[in-house]
Order: sequence, then C-alpha cells, then structure tokens
Amino acid sequence: GAVVSQHPSRVICKSGTSVKIECRSLDFQATTMFWYRQFPKKSLMLMATSNEGSKATYEQGVEKDKFLINHASLTLSTLTVTSAHPEDSSFYICSASGDREPYEQYFGPGTRLTVT
Amino acid sequence: QQQVKQSPQSLIVQKGGIPIINCAYENTAFDYFPWYQQFPGKGPALLIAIRPDVSEKKEGRFTISFNKSAKQFSLHIMDSQPGDSATYFCAASMYNQGGKLIFGQGTELSVKP
Repeated sequence: GAVVSQHPSRVICKSGTSVKIECRSLDFQATTMFWYRQFPKKSLMLMATSNEGSKATYEQGVEKDKFLINHASLTLSTLTVTSAHPEDSSFYICSASGDREPYEQYFGPGTRLTVT
Repeated sequence: QQQVKQSPQSLIVQKGGIPIINCAYENTAFDYFPWYQQFPGKGPALLIAIRPDVSEKKEGRFTISFNKSAKQFSLHIMDSQPGDSATYFCAASMYNQGGKLIFGQGTELSVKP
C-alpha cells in the first residue's frame, strides 16, 4: 500500500515554456501533498505544502508565481513550472500523507526536468 | 533551530559490517523521526521511524536508537549488503506544523562485497 506515482518521469523543455508534473496517490487519500526539489548529491528542499481544496503554502524563497501548485482532489496534485529557465532544471519529488497516519509521507519516484 | 544535522557525509563498509549514521536536532518540539533510503534517480522510501517516547526500534536489519536527552538519533544497519548501498536521510517533523519534514544532509553509503 501507500503508493505515490509521478508523471512524467523525465521531461525536457525549451526555455520559456511551461511544464506540468502530476503527483497521484494510488491507494490512499492524500489530504496533504508536499513538493520537493533536489539537486545532485544534495538533500531534499521543501518547496511547498498543499492541502486538498486549499491554496498551497510556499516555503520562504520559493516563487509562487513560478511554481504553481494545485491540489484539486484527494489523489492528485500538480506542479507547473512556468516560463522555465535552465536554472529550474532539477529533480522534483512529491510526497503524500493521509489522515490515518498524518506523519508518514510516501514519496513519488521523482521527475527529472531539463530545461534547454 | 529547525535544522537536523547528519553525519557522516559518506561511509564505506564491508559486507556484513554495521554502518551507523547519526543525526542531531535542536528543536525539542520535534515528535517524529523517520529515516529514508534513496537510490540514484529514485524518490526516497520510508525505512523506519521512531517517536520520542521510545529509545529503540527495530525493523528487520534496521534499528533506530533514540537519545532524547542528547537530542540525537541514529540508524544502524545490521549485516549490511551491497544492495544497501544508497543515500540515507534522517528527518524530523512536528505535528503542529502539518507533518512538514526537516531533512538531514544525507549519507552516501557504499557496502563493498
């Protein structure tokens, strides 16, 4: 149980375009979803927290207009990187937690974004 | 005060050895301490977690030791195998912050055959 999927696993886009990453909880209802960014050989950096039906809460220094997060249902959250630039290239990972064990976060497999 | 400090940064052990990874925290409001395992190009996977009312927890070959007074906790991997080679992250969270995880810096473990 507690499976989280992400799509796509890899994406390459041109500078100035937008790209959407989906995060789905497959076998539980995710009341809270988290989005992280990870640079090579570095730890995970929390970008934002989203609760179903509410606006996302962004961490300090994360541009909310650049990284649009939507959590429209209990099984789906999306991260849209708008007007992407090469410096946005990174590994983006989502995680989800449910009501029964709100502490336990289950992570998706990650999405490798490359902006050319 | 929100930081979690993890050491060592990297660790090499022989097969069968017992690697130990340490983490320290400052904020006594943290009340959940998980460990995650991450393979290259994959998302982290929850290994084992502990609450501060317990001093030790074992799951299979993985053991967490927790020292509340010292504000430290550690992961021990018994009978380590080459397949355990991965990056390990400790983390801490508190309920009144919606379970937001604060991660340690990570430890790259290599288990030699």
